[in-house]
Amino acid sequence: GAVVSQHPSRVICKSGTSVKIECRSLDFQATTMFWYRQFPKQSLMLMATSNEGSKATYEQGVEKDKFLINHASLTLSTLTVTSAHPEDSSFYICSATRGATITGELFFGEGSRLTVL
Amino acid sequence: GESVGLHLPTLSVQEGDNSIINCAYSNSASDYFIWYKQESGKGPQFIIDIRSNMDKRQGQRVTVLLNKTVKHLSLQIAATQPGDSAVYFCAENAGGTSYGKLTFGQGTILTVHP
Repeated sequence: GAVVSQHPSRVICKSGTSVKIECRSLDFQATTMFWYRQFPKQSLMLMATSNEGSKATYEQGVEKDKFLINHASLTLSTLTVTSAHPEDSSFYICSATRGATITGELFFGEGSRLTVL
Repeated sequence: GESVGLHLPTLSVQEGDNSIINCAYSNSASDYFIWYKQESGKGPQFIIDIRSNMDKRQGQRVTVLLNKTVKHLSLQIAATQPGDSAVYFCAENAGGTSYGKLTFGQGTILTVHP
């Protein structure tokens, strides 16, 4: 079964509203989670690194005030798209690491499709 | 910034043929590479990985080859099946402080015809 779960899998919202996406590690503690964005027919682009108990680290060009990341527990990271606009419509995917090494211990969620009308 | 790229955006093969998907990477500090399969509307699915101290690794029907000299990675799928149709991404990790962070290639769409 899935070891990393995202919710919701699909969400449609009106322009100007905020949307929260959850990423949960189901049977392990993840001190670090990662958020990616994927536009149609494109690759995954890393947005930010979510660290439990501290501020997220954002990649260059990603607005931290627009994409709020909270990693309040060892099993949950949330991404909030604030004041969403149609150009924010995308597939958002999280990943989480389990263990001290990356080999075979990096798991992806099933993604959350955001559509902003 | 440095990135991982692919030579061929699409690949069409007949069922039973072998498929080869290529990837070029540019970050010489990368020491871990992963191939993912992504089906429509789903997250990436791990296929196989390889560390930079190896040049070949085999799994079930899949083989990954790494050529560090020319910074090239390939995924070979033996006896390709219609269920293999998907988008394939290579990804790299530089380790150290970037542990867990992946840089993805552009992706190759593999279509397997019955």
